[in-house]
Amino acid sequence: EAGVAQSPRYKIIEKRQSVAFWCNPISGHATLYWYQQILGQGPKLLIQFQNNGVVDDSQLPKDRFSAERLKGVDSTLKIQPAKLEDSAVYLCASSFTGTDPYEQYFGPGTRLTVT
Amino acid sequence: DAKTTQPPSMDCAEGRAANLPCNHSTISGNEYVYWYRQIHSQGPQYIIHGLKNNETNEMASLIITEDRKSSTLILPHATLRDTAVYYCIVRVAGSNYKLTFGKGTLLTVNP
Repeated sequence: EAGVAQSPRYKIIEKRQSVAFWCNPISGHATLYWYQQILGQGPKLLIQFQNNGVVDDSQLPKDRFSAERLKGVDSTLKIQPAKLEDSAVYLCASSFTGTDPYEQYFGPGTRLTVT
Repeated sequence: DAKTTQPPSMDCAEGRAANLPCNHSTISGNEYVYWYRQIHSQGPQYIIHGLKNNETNEMASLIITEDRKSSTLILPHATLRDTAVYYCIVRVAGSNYKLTFGKGTLLTVNP
């Protein structure tokens, strides 16, 4: 089966610019996650969707980050305006349901560099 | 979710078993132990999970101590492609499936 798709794979922007990332989850997966992974650290959950509703966005910096999942399939994560500390890999993951035990499937990530 | 402690790095010879320890001394009775790994420049990959009993699948074995305060992930015959960061995660069963990653263990398999 096709995996989680993400684009772009790499992005370089200047601080104060805006950027958007796209994610297409595995077909049939109701739950979608966005993670931020700073170099040398483990991934940190930013937001979790169940279908097109937000389940957990407690660690999303809402003053500059936004995410949506229209129609309960694809999702976009936006940063506006970007700061230097936003340089990281942004990972999208999906899973069949929001209950366990089950596994999350991760995409390859988007590496963002803010200069 | 309970906190986990893992060594920052380990080495293993190719073809030998790799035993990765994880301490989760504050684990609760309703918390699962999950293992994921992340190969360089890729997203994390699920390996295995368990609650109380030892578990085995095509990738690895998970040994959980009787008091559940620690566990060991075993890769029976490590290959160079098993070089990765391995994350041990505990999470409450039944809650929203939030994974809290630590820094993990960098396993380097040497030829």
